[in-house]
Amino acid sequence: LAKTTQPISMDSYEGQEVNITCSHNNIATNDYITWYQQFPSQGPRFIIQGYKTKVTNEVASLFIPADRKSSTLSLPRVSLSDTAVYYCLVGDRNAGNMLTFGGGTRLMVKP
Amino acid sequence: GAGVSQSPRYKVAKRGQDVALRCDPISGHVSLFWYQQALGQGPEFLTYFQNEAQLDKSGLPSDRFFAERPEGSVSTLKIQRTQQEDSAVYLCASTQGQSYGYTFGSGTRLTVV
Repeated sequence: LAKTTQPISMDSYEGQEVNITCSHNNIATNDYITWYQQFPSQGPRFIIQGYKTKVTNEVASLFIPADRKSSTLSLPRVSLSDTAVYYCLVGDRNAGNMLTFGGGTRLMVKP
Repeated sequence: GAGVSQSPRYKVAKRGQDVALRCDPISGHVSLFWYQQALGQGPEFLTYFQNEAQLDKSGLPSDRFFAERPEGSVSTLKIQRTQQEDSAVYLCASTQGQSYGYTFGSGTRLTVV
C-alpha cells in the first residue's frame, strides 16, 4: 500500500482558504486518493476522493497533478468548526482493501 | 439505521477482564471493518468481514482479540484478558460494496485499569 506524508499540524484563521498537501510518491496505477476528517470523540468522516486532476464537492476540492505523486485538499473559507484532523489515504478502490491511515494533519482554525 | 452504531460508548475494564464491543453497521452494508486508534494516532486496521466471512484478520494484535459477525450484520469484537496496552478507541466502519466512502461509527473508548 502506498504510504502518505502530510504535515503534522497547521494553523489558520476563520474565513481563510486552507490547503493541505499530501505526498504519495509510490502511488500505484489503480490507487485512488481519499481524504477523511476526524473530530474529537468521533470516527473519521469521508470528505472527498479523486483519481486525477480536480474534484470538487460541497465541502472541499481535491487537486491532483498529472504525476499523481501528491495531492492537495483545499478547504474554502474555513470556520472554527473545521478544526479537526485530516487524513490522506491512498489505495485501490476495492471493498476488500482496508484503509491505511497515517498520522494525519491537525488543523486548528482560530478566530 | 442511518449510521454505524457502536456500543458501549465508553468501557472501563480491570486488567485481566474480558470485554465485548458491539458494532451495528448500516443496514445492507456488506463490508465491515474494525480499527484501533491509540491516543494521538491514526486508526489502525484490525480485521475485515464480507458478510459473515472474516476475510482478513491480519491486524489483530494477539490471539486475545477475536471478532465475529455470525449473521452478516452485527459484529462483536472481543478482547480476552485485557491489558493496559489495549486501551484505545475501537472504531467500526461499514461500506456497501466499494471503498468509496466508508462510514465510521463514533467508536468505543476502552480504558484498562
